[in-house]
Amino acid sequence: NAGVTQTPKFQVLKTGQSMTLQCAQDMNHNSMYWYRQDPGMGLRLIYYSASEGTTDKGEVPNGYNVSRLNKREFSLRLESAAPSQTSVYFCASFNGGGYGYTFGSGTRLTVV
Amino acid sequence: GDSVTQMEGPVTLSEEAFLTINCTYTATGYPSLFWYVQYPGEGLQLLLKATKADDKGSNKGFEATYRKETTSFHLEKGSVQVSDSAVYFCALKDSNYQLIWGAGTKLIIKP
Repeated sequence: NAGVTQTPKFQVLKTGQSMTLQCAQDMNHNSMYWYRQDPGMGLRLIYYSASEGTTDKGEVPNGYNVSRLNKREFSLRLESAAPSQTSVYFCASFNGGGYGYTFGSGTRLTVV
Repeated sequence: GDSVTQMEGPVTLSEEAFLTINCTYTATGYPSLFWYVQYPGEGLQLLLKATKADDKGSNKGFEATYRKETTSFHLEKGSVQVSDSAVYFCALKDSNYQLIWGAGTKLIIKP
């Protein structure tokens, strides 16, 4: 099925550990996004990539890095996880037209 | 900057009740407007959209009309079902093609 695929779906990390969240889309979209969702705070943009080879900071980039590996893939890395990074992370892609974003199903991350 | 304000939840209704979730926006120009829905444990899905003033977006019995004069895009449904229980997000697409999100409104429908 066409869409946005995120892995893993669930992850528990210890404080200070690192990990990479993977995202891939097969819709040939130029733009890709990483959001975090916390209770009562809606969606907050971490990083985005308007096109292959470019990345930009969003609202809450601290503690994260991203890589736009190719047009399909956009990964999010936590170098040294902190409990404040416990959240649900969503990847999304966008075709630039009159339609909205297509979202992945999310990664639920807990940092203990 | 651009912003979206939607009513706080949770909104609790009985099955077959009429639903309104208010959404107002602040933006330069004429942004496209969206409603997304997030069912428990899932990602967000586009519910409906409107790209210009007086457009009405509709899907699955939900409707929203782009009102430029009141800068609003309220979501309505005439008769809600238990399966409509979810979190609803209002959003606008700004001039840089970024989506600006409301905080979300949790809807609970009781049988």
